[in-house]
Amino acid sequence: AQRVTQPEKLLSVFKGAPVELKCNYSYSGSPELFWYVQYSRQRLQLLLRHISRESIKGFTADLNKGETSFHLKKPFAQEEDSAMYYCALMRAGGTSYGKLTFGQGTILTVHP
Amino acid sequence: KAGVTQTPRYLIKTRGQQVTLSCSPISGHRSVSWYQQTPGQGLQFLFEYFSETQRNKGNFPGRFSGRQFSNSRSEMNVSTLELGDSALYLCASSLVAGVSNEQFFGPGTRLTVL
Repeated sequence: AQRVTQPEKLLSVFKGAPVELKCNYSYSGSPELFWYVQYSRQRLQLLLRHISRESIKGFTADLNKGETSFHLKKPFAQEEDSAMYYCALMRAGGTSYGKLTFGQGTILTVHP
Repeated sequence: KAGVTQTPRYLIKTRGQQVTLSCSPISGHRSVSWYQQTPGQGLQFLFEYFSETQRNKGNFPGRFSGRQFSNSRSEMNVSTLELGDSALYLCASSLVAGVSNEQFFGPGTRLTVL
């Protein structure tokens, strides 16, 4: 079975401070990891995914298979980063058939 | 390009009734996945459809069912509603199911069971 854990339900930082949203997963096979974000009154949307190795809106995430983690980081938080963030896992290899397993989410608040 | 649309946006039903929710994917997308979102359980996968076939199913009772039409539009049905079925139901579409295809989410249907 696959499981995603986001240990922090709430995270508050000040504008300009570094931010790290933690994500740990358990899965015996080869996973693909994603971060989704939901801004206030907007729909859930993809922020970034492991396979793309991109930096989106200043956010990066590195897959650490040894620690089974996929933490989301940004060196300087902005007020517009305030949102709900979900870490999600999909089974690699083309047999996932659309199934994303989500963590419980972390509400990030960036104070001015 | 129009995004994923879901209808209705809000529904109020009573226990024992049944409900049908609709999802129209982005044009050209053939895979539709459904999720249930509740404060207690978070986002949980219900099922996925591709080319009118259910290819994956989450751990939900048989009261939850769905289907997909030839135009890729999908419906999900919940029969014999229970109070615990109150949730936000999200659908997501992608070109084809798979890791490399981003899932685009709809705004959700808020179901309240009284």
